[in-house]
This record gives sequence, C-alpha cells and structure tokens, in this order.
Amino acid sequence: DQQVKQNSPSLSVQEGRISILNCDYTNSMFDYFLWYKKYPAEGPTFLISISSIKDKNEDGRFTVFLNKSAKHLSLHIVPSQPGDSAVYFCAASASRDDKIIFGKGTRLHILP
Amino acid sequence: NAGVTQTPKFRVLKTGQSMTLLCAQDMNHEYMYWYRQDPGMGLRLIHYSVGEGTTAKGEVPDGYNVSRLKKQNFLLGLESAAPSQTSVYFCASWGLDLEQYFGPGTRLTVT
Repeated sequence: DQQVKQNSPSLSVQEGRISILNCDYTNSMFDYFLWYKKYPAEGPTFLISISSIKDKNEDGRFTVFLNKSAKHLSLHIVPSQPGDSAVYFCAASASRDDKIIFGKGTRLHILP
Repeated sequence: NAGVTQTPKFRVLKTGQSMTLLCAQDMNHEYMYWYRQDPGMGLRLIHYSVGEGTTAKGEVPDGYNVSRLKKQNFLLGLESAAPSQTSVYFCASWGLDLEQYFGPGTRLTVT
C-alpha cells in the first residue's frame, strides 16, 4: 500500500520553462511534506518542505503547493535549468516523531 | 561542519556474514533515519530514531538492527547478510527546522 505516490516516472521540460512535479498521498494524518533532488551516486539533497498549515512555500526558483482536500502536492521549478536534471522524490510524515515515507521518484530531464 | 557522514562507502559481503554501517552527524539533530534504495523502489525506511537511546521500525526492518547509543551516531547492523540486502543504504538526520540531510550512501553487495 503506497502512501506517497509519484505517478510520473519521468518528465522532460525545455530549458527556461516551468517544471511541475506532482505527488499524491493517501494518509490524511500526514503533516509535513518534503521534496528532494537526487543525482546518481549521491545522497538525496533536501530542496523544500511545507507543513500542513500552509498551502504554499517558496524558496528561490522552487515553490511547493499543497492541496490538502485533494491530498496532492506539487513542486514548481521556474525557470528550469540544465542542472535541475535529476530524480525528484516527494516525502511525507505524520509528525516529527513519526517515520518519513518516500515516493518512488520522478526523473526530470531538462532539454536544451 | 561535515553534515552527515557514512562509513564505509562500499562493501562486499558473503551470504551469512555480518557488518555494521555507521552514520554520524554533527548538527545536533534529534532524528536520524536509515533508508535503502533499490531500482524502481524509491527510498524505503528501514529504522529510525527520534532521540538518543530510542529506535523504531520503518517500512522494511526485517534482517536489520539499529542502535543509537550516542545522539550523533546511528548504527545499522546486518547480523546475517542475504543477497536481498544488496542495495544502496542512506542515512539521514532531521533537525528543528524542516530540512532533512542525507549522507552520501553506502553501496553494499551481498554475494
């Protein structure tokens, strides 16, 4: 039973355009949501997070949107750059004292 | 400030051998985690700890044990390695903010 789902295994976006990565979750108890970026042979790098009391959080080119009623969150990257090509993981947790559950990831390709 | 470090970086074990993976963090974080990453499976949580002296099971805990005797260290043990435990293992820590930091990973092969 997958609690955090990233239904698109891969996504290709032109350089300079907006990249939108989507994530759905099933557990209504999730309170914290996080996005990570991962290059091959490296550990995941934290990008941005959001708690359930907010519906948007922005950090530079990265914005995360949370729609609690739809149990959906998305990561927007604007503008997309070649260095953004990586695997992106969505993750969620019910509380700081609970486990963090990851999605399977979406591979983002930024096209020149 | 080294962040999260993992030792060793690579290891090859024979079936039935044991080993311990060490994770260390110098950020005074309370929360620490062990994950494994397998092709097409994303990151799956093995065990985690919400503070020194505490541990809890994650999604795939069987075949692994952990200890958190010191706040800065989180050890992952394999008592009797199996080929199904061939994977890349990542440790992570989580502080008072909402940022979680990962180590560089340990690539383990069990033959």
